[in-house]
Amino acid sequence: AQSVTQPDIHITVSEGASLELRCNYSYGATPYLFWYVQSPGQGLQLLLKYFSGDTLVQGIKGFEAEFKRSQSSFNLRKPSVHWSDAAEYFCAVGARPGGTSYGKLTFGQGTILTVHP
Amino acid sequence: DAGVIQSPRHEVTEMGQEVTLRCKPISGHDYLFWYRQTMMRGLELLIYFNNNVPIDDSGMPEDRFSAKMPNASFSTLKIQPSEPRDSAVYFCASSLDRGGSYNEQFFGPGTRLTVL
Repeated sequence: AQSVTQPDIHITVSEGASLELRCNYSYGATPYLFWYVQSPGQGLQLLLKYFSGDTLVQGIKGFEAEFKRSQSSFNLRKPSVHWSDAAEYFCAVGARPGGTSYGKLTFGQGTILTVHP
Repeated sequence: DAGVIQSPRHEVTEMGQEVTLRCKPISGHDYLFWYRQTMMRGLELLIYFNNNVPIDDSGMPEDRFSAKMPNASFSTLKIQPSEPRDSAVYFCASSLDRGGSYNEQFFGPGTRLTVL
C-alpha cells in the first residue's frame, strides 16, 4: 500500500529565509505526487503536482518541488518565504492507473509552517 | 466554476442527534471523496465514489456513519446518532479522471461539526 511521511510536524522560519519541507513516499512504481496547502479555516489548495517528465516542478505562489526517485522523496522548496506562507502543508501520493487504490490520494500528516517577521 | 460546495459550514448539535452534511462536487467530476480532519488523527479518508458508486468505504469509522451519492451533483454524509468524538472538520473533494490529472483533488471549504 502507498504511504507518505512528512518528518517535520512543525517548522519555523524567518520571513525572507529559504524553505524546504520534506516528503518521503512509499509506492511500488512512480506515483503521482502532490503538495497541498491549507490556511487556517480553509480547505486544501493544490500547490503543485508531478506526473512525469521534468523532475523539478513549479507551482503557484513561488513554490517548487523536486522528485527524486532514488530517495523516494518529493521535497517542497521556496527561496524566500513570505509571512502569508504560514499554513499547513500536505504531501500526497496517488496510484497510477492499474494500481491499487486507483483514484484516491494518500496524504501525509502535514507540516505546520510558522513565519517570523 | 463555483468549486466544491459544502453545507452547512458550521454545525453544532447535541449528542444523539442525526447530522447530515452535504456536498456538491465540481460539475463534470467523476470522483467524490469525504475526509475528516482532527488535530489528533490528521486528515482521514472516509469514503470515495466513482461515477456515484462507492469504491472504498474502509475509512468509515463505524455503522453510525453512512454516505450516499444519488446523482453526479450531490452527496451526503450522515452520522446517526452523533457523538462528541465525531467533532471534526469534514471535507468533501472531487476530481476528474482524464488520464493525466485524474486524481488532482479539489477541496471544498469544509463543515466544522461540533457535537455537544
